[in-house]
Amino acid sequence: EPEVTQTPSHQVTQMGQEVILRCVPISNHLYFYWYRQILGQKVEFLVSFYNNEISEKSEIFDDQFSVERPDGSNFTLKIRSTKLEDSAMYFCASSSDVTNTEAFFGQGTRLTVV
Amino acid sequence: GENVEQHPSTLSVQEGDSAVIKCTYSDSASNYFPWYKQELGKRPQLIIDIRSNVGEKKDQRIAVTLNKTAKHFSLHITETQPEDSAVYFCAANDMDSNYQLIWGAGTKLIIKP
Repeated sequence: EPEVTQTPSHQVTQMGQEVILRCVPISNHLYFYWYRQILGQKVEFLVSFYNNEISEKSEIFDDQFSVERPDGSNFTLKIRSTKLEDSAMYFCASSSDVTNTEAFFGQGTRLTVV
Repeated sequence: GENVEQHPSTLSVQEGDSAVIKCTYSDSASNYFPWYKQELGKRPQLIIDIRSNVGEKKDQRIAVTLNKTAKHFSLHITETQPEDSAVYFCAANDMDSNYQLIWGAGTKLIIKP
């Protein structure tokens, strides 16, 4: 069964450093998303991406964040100048449908900022 | 925009009994309502979803009901088993924000042996 894959599974970084989280969406999906989940809290939408551009972003997704699809398979989330409060689980998801139905999630990257 | 409320935050039921988790939403234009199950340390996994053109959907021990007039939808799990223990999230799509999913706060379901 096709699945969304994310790397790394765990990333530890020093405050102020830049991190890149990587995702490989399901191959025939066209819509890609990043979500964040702070430990013990609900899943929060960050950004959606379609046709090589951002289609929607939340208030969380400020200038510190950027996304890119550098080639035909990878979808990346870059966090510049990380802060302690960026520590969370970051999930990538993809769907084949513009209405965000049946979004499939990756296993997540646990980001720890120290 | 859409707002989703979920109750209860924790639900403890005896193995074999039924569990019901309820969500309300604010935007009557929302038309897609998924339920995700998240086991500790793992990704959310879609377990069932419902669209606004139906009132109920069932898949073995899991069912979801939707009341569009009242703007609420519920997850029903019958004959609960220990492996049902997890956090369950409801969500609704936000038509004002390119259909992004707005999530409830989650319900921790504990199945007591």
